[in-house]
Amino acid sequence: EDKVVQSPLSLVVHEGDTVTLNCSYEVTNFRSLLWYKQEKKAPTFLFMLTSSGIEKKSGRLSSILDKKELFSILNITATQTGDSAVYLCAVEPGNNNDMRFGAGTRLTVKP
Amino acid sequence: NAGVMQNPRHLVRRRGQEARLRCSPMKGHSHVYWYRQLPEEGLKFMVYLQKENIIDESGMPKERFSAEFPKEGPSILRIQQVVRGDSAAYFCASSPYQEDYNEQFFGPGTRLTVL
Repeated sequence: EDKVVQSPLSLVVHEGDTVTLNCSYEVTNFRSLLWYKQEKKAPTFLFMLTSSGIEKKSGRLSSILDKKELFSILNITATQTGDSAVYLCAVEPGNNNDMRFGAGTRLTVKP
Repeated sequence: NAGVMQNPRHLVRRRGQEARLRCSPMKGHSHVYWYRQLPEEGLKFMVYLQKENIIDESGMPKERFSAEFPKEGPSILRIQQVVRGDSAAYFCASSPYQEDYNEQFFGPGTRLTVL
C-alpha cells in the first residue's frame, strides 16, 4: 500500500534557525511529490518535484527529491515566526491513483 | 484509531447524474474540510463544516454543489447534474478543533469520473 511518512512530527525552533523537514515514501509508479504549508484554512502549495536531484527554491524555502532513496527534504533558512505552520508532504502515484498525504510536521518558530 | 475514511474511492457517473461523496472523520474530530484536486493545481478549498453547521463555503460553486455534516453519520459532498468538468479527485480532511492554524488529517480521496 502507498505510504508517506514525515519526520519529525513536530519541531520548535527560534527565529533565525534553519530547519530541515523530511518526507519518505513508498508508492507504486511515482509521478510527483508535493509540499504544502498548512495554516488557517487551506494548504498552500509550495513545490512540486518530479526529477531527482534538482533543487526547487523559493526565497528562504528549498526542496530536493531523491528518487533512488525515496525521500524529499524541505529546508527553511532564517526562519521567521510566520513560518509556523504544519508542513504537508504528498505523493502522487503515476497509476492514476490519488495523492497520499503524510501526517505533516508541525513547525513552531519562537521569537 | 482509524484515519479519515472516504467512500467510494472511485465513482463513475454519466452526465446529468448525481454524485455523493462520503467522508467519515477521525474519531473525536468535529470539523471537516472538502478539497478538490485538479491536475497541476494542487488542492483547492471547497467547504469547511462543523457538525450540523457550514462554517465557510467560499470555495463551493454556487450551483449543483452542496455539503452537509449531520449530527450523526459522515459528511457528504453532493454534486447534482454532474458535467465532465466535475471529474477530479475530491479530498476530505478532518480536524479536532479550530485554531489559528488547523492540523488537518487527510483521507485517501474519491476520484470522480464523469463520462
